[in-house]
Amino acid sequence: GAGVSQSPRYKVAKRGQDVALRCDPISGHVSLFWYQQALGQGPEFLTYFQNEAQLDKSGLPSDRFFAERPEGSVSTLKIQRTQQEDSAVYLCASSLDGGQPQHFGDGTRLSIL
Amino acid sequence: QKEVEQNSGPLSVPEGAIASLNCTYSDRGSQSFFWYRQYSGKSPELIMFIYSNGDKEDGRFTAQLNKASQYVSLLIRDSQPSDSATYLCAPLTGGGNKLTFGTGTQLKVEL
Repeated sequence: GAGVSQSPRYKVAKRGQDVALRCDPISGHVSLFWYQQALGQGPEFLTYFQNEAQLDKSGLPSDRFFAERPEGSVSTLKIQRTQQEDSAVYLCASSLDGGQPQHFGDGTRLSIL
Repeated sequence: QKEVEQNSGPLSVPEGAIASLNCTYSDRGSQSFFWYRQYSGKSPELIMFIYSNGDKEDGRFTAQLNKASQYVSLLIRDSQPSDSATYLCAPLTGGGNKLTFGTGTQLKVEL
């Protein structure tokens, strides 16, 4: 079946605007993860869902970051009042269950001007 | 001490040679380990995972794990130019759900 799908692929926003990034996981995958990757670094964990439950949000950098997965499938990562330091690639991954291999989408490259 | 340490490279090997990529980790509770390949401008692609001490082979790739030494490695045999990429080591941490990545090792396979 199809892999993890993320949209948009690229997003440019002005500082202070709100943005919403979408992730559609592999069909049947219970677990969904968001990561943030800065240039030249490995991805860093943001948050984790098992079905619709957000079980770990310890990596969210501030209360401007909010993620949801209301029906246990598609997830949205929202960033309010964006700052320049939010510029990064946001990666979504899904897995059959929590400890299983995670498969990544193509990511959303966010640029804050 | 970083949670996951990798030599950033670049590691240059001639075509056909064996490339050896190393990784150490600090979380003794980690039980599962993953190697991802990332081409420039692309997302990470899973290439190997290993759960038990010892070696695991898949085609040209061999993953090695030593939990006592908190060390995991990836060997790539018969390296090809298409193997040129950044290789990310990632144990599952935080109770076994989230991946913690190293900064990656850049591999260059030269003709």
